[in-house]
Amino acid sequence: KQEVTQIPAALSVPEGENLVLNCSFTDSAIYNLQWFRQDPGKGLTSLLLIQSSQREQTSGRLNASLDKSSGRSTLYIAASQPGDSATYLCAVPREDYKLSFGAGTTVTVRA
Amino acid sequence: DTEVTQTPKHLVMGMTNKKSLKCEQHMGHRAMYWYKQKAKKPPELMFVYSYEKLSINESVPSRFSPECPNSSLLNLHLHALQPEDSALYLCASSKDGTLQETQYFGPGTRLLVL
Repeated sequence: KQEVTQIPAALSVPEGENLVLNCSFTDSAIYNLQWFRQDPGKGLTSLLLIQSSQREQTSGRLNASLDKSSGRSTLYIAASQPGDSATYLCAVPREDYKLSFGAGTTVTVRA
Repeated sequence: DTEVTQTPKHLVMGMTNKKSLKCEQHMGHRAMYWYKQKAKKPPELMFVYSYEKLSINESVPSRFSPECPNSSLLNLHLHALQPEDSALYLCASSKDGTLQETQYFGPGTRLLVL
């Protein structure tokens, strides 16, 4: 059974600092890994999807890496801003078409 | 346009009411999903529609009844709900419902059952 873990559960950084968010998964036979952002009480916004054949994916200040052999993905957010404050979730699809989500990392960027 | 819309944004209902949640997308996606999310927990899959047919029902109680009238619309009919059904209900869509795709989520409907 695929287990997805995100550590830490919460992170607080001063504005301008780079953010490093971690996601671990137990079964390396994944199709892809998706990173989402969720603001309080809102829906999920898809940030990046990395296919299993890729090592990284970039979009603006966001960069996500994938190391299947070690069962890890890292989301880097450069030069953080207060607007980056949110909960970040990673998810991998399972054979039964469910998305296995991590519990999320709640980020606070202090102005 | 990568937008999934959901109405209403908020809903308060009594345990004897009947109400419906609506989800719409115009991305030409053929897979649509309903998720339930409790506070500080990740979303949990409820139903999947693929090409307007129900393909996955995650043992959801019958007081939740999904409907997919066409490829752009997804409804969730609610009847005789319990207070523990209070949650954020999220709709999502993807291109074909394969495992390699990005799922796009709507903003959700915040449901409170009294």
